[in-house]
Amino acid sequence: QSVLTQAPSVAAAPGQKVTISCSGSTSNIGNNYVSWYRQLPGTAPKLLIYDNNKRPSGIPDRFSGSKSGTSATLGITGLQTGDEAVYYCGTWDTSLSVVLFGGGTKVTVL
Amino acid sequence: QVQLQESGPGLLQPLETLSLTCVVSNYSISSAYYWGWIRQPPGKGLEWIGSFHHTGSTYYNPSLKSRVFISLDTSNNHFSLRLWSVTAADTALYFCARQADYGDFPRGWFDPWGQGTLVTVS
Repeated sequence: QSVLTQAPSVAAAPGQKVTISCSGSTSNIGNNYVSWYRQLPGTAPKLLIYDNNKRPSGIPDRFSGSKSGTSATLGITGLQTGDEAVYYCGTWDTSLSVVLFGGGTKVTVL
Repeated sequence: QVQLQESGPGLLQPLETLSLTCVVSNYSISSAYYWGWIRQPPGKGLEWIGSFHHTGSTYYNPSLKSRVFISLDTSNNHFSLRLWSVTAADTALYFCARQADYGDFPRGWFDPWGQGTLVTVS
């Protein structure tokens, strides 16, 4: 079981919005930056969000990130079939001295 | 753009040593950043193995620390992973990635990633 908790799955229709949450503690999310990754089937993870809410070049503004206290959220608007993937949050844990990833949330486009 | 490519044997027997190399293109690994390894068991999530700072500091996942070693070969612009005494639990897709440098610890995001190489212990 991951230290960072994510819902196993979420589903929505094309064009809708989904939010994916990542819950942790003060030793990780509460005091460190959060990043988000998308992993399409059979491929490597790809950075979507870094430093809680920043998008790398080339990532559309349909993707957004936020953090409040010990939880972080990834939002995807205008859902597309190509967004079907597993999404992971990641951060550093100051107490454990380890990089943590959430267990992943599978997004299904209905 | 920066590209990373993992290579290494795909099949190991229990108790052997896993050795993987990550070749980096279009960026000098001695210039900046951390350089890390992450693995993903079949059907499961991501697990950080460790990261190497370009100045020489290394940081390992405590759960693997006794069996792992990461090194940089700046002359050939690649970095390597060694994992001793492997078991079936080490079967996974192994990724290398560049990691943002926030200073004292490997606290940054990973980008880009290599495509991954599957290692099976059987």
